[in-house]
Amino acid sequence: AQSVAQPEDQVNVAEGNPLTVKCTYSVSGNPYLFWYVQYPNRGLQFLLKYITGDNLVKGSYGFEAEFNKSQTSFHLKKPSALVSDSALYFCAATTTSGTYKYIFGTGTRLKVLA
Amino acid sequence: DGGITQSPKYLFRKEGQNVTLSCEQNLNHDAMYWYRQDPGQGLRLIYYSQIVNDFQKGDIAEGYSVSREKKESFPLTVTSAQKNPTAFYLCASMGQGSQPQHFGDGTRLSIL
Repeated sequence: AQSVAQPEDQVNVAEGNPLTVKCTYSVSGNPYLFWYVQYPNRGLQFLLKYITGDNLVKGSYGFEAEFNKSQTSFHLKKPSALVSDSALYFCAATTTSGTYKYIFGTGTRLKVLA
Repeated sequence: DGGITQSPKYLFRKEGQNVTLSCEQNLNHDAMYWYRQDPGQGLRLIYYSQIVNDFQKGDIAEGYSVSREKKESFPLTVTSAQKNPTAFYLCASMGQGSQPQHFGDGTRLSIL
């Protein structure tokens, strides 16, 4: 079965420190990978995507993600965390098979401490 | 501005009642989706539609129904058969298959 795993329910980091939110995937074929952020009582906002090409993808608000095919991972990173980055983060995957269906992870709550 | 509008933001359902959640998009996207979000469970797909007048069941379609009569609109009905409807419902749309999904701001449904 295809799946996306976010192994950490919550990540705490001090403001100014680098942050990493982990994601691993299991999908057939070549994956399309996405990161989204959700603030309370709001919809998901797109941060970045990996389709093909460079393994390091840069996105909105200073976030980036590294695609690692051998480890089937797509971890979200930011060099210096802000308190305003505190939110719920979702990793998602789909494939080139064209079904248009996304598989979402269960989400990781990021808390950036001042 | 282009986007997805969900209404109402909050909705209350009485026992035995059907309720309909609205989702409208002006992004000219072909595909539309309904998700249910419960704490700690991420997003679960209820129904999706890739073109007008066609839709497919997702992972948790029981107790829900949809229609896709117009490209811009994809309403979700939560029927009385859905015994645990309390959740946050999110609508999304997408253009081509490699593009990100765009989300509305959700409808929170509760039972009276």
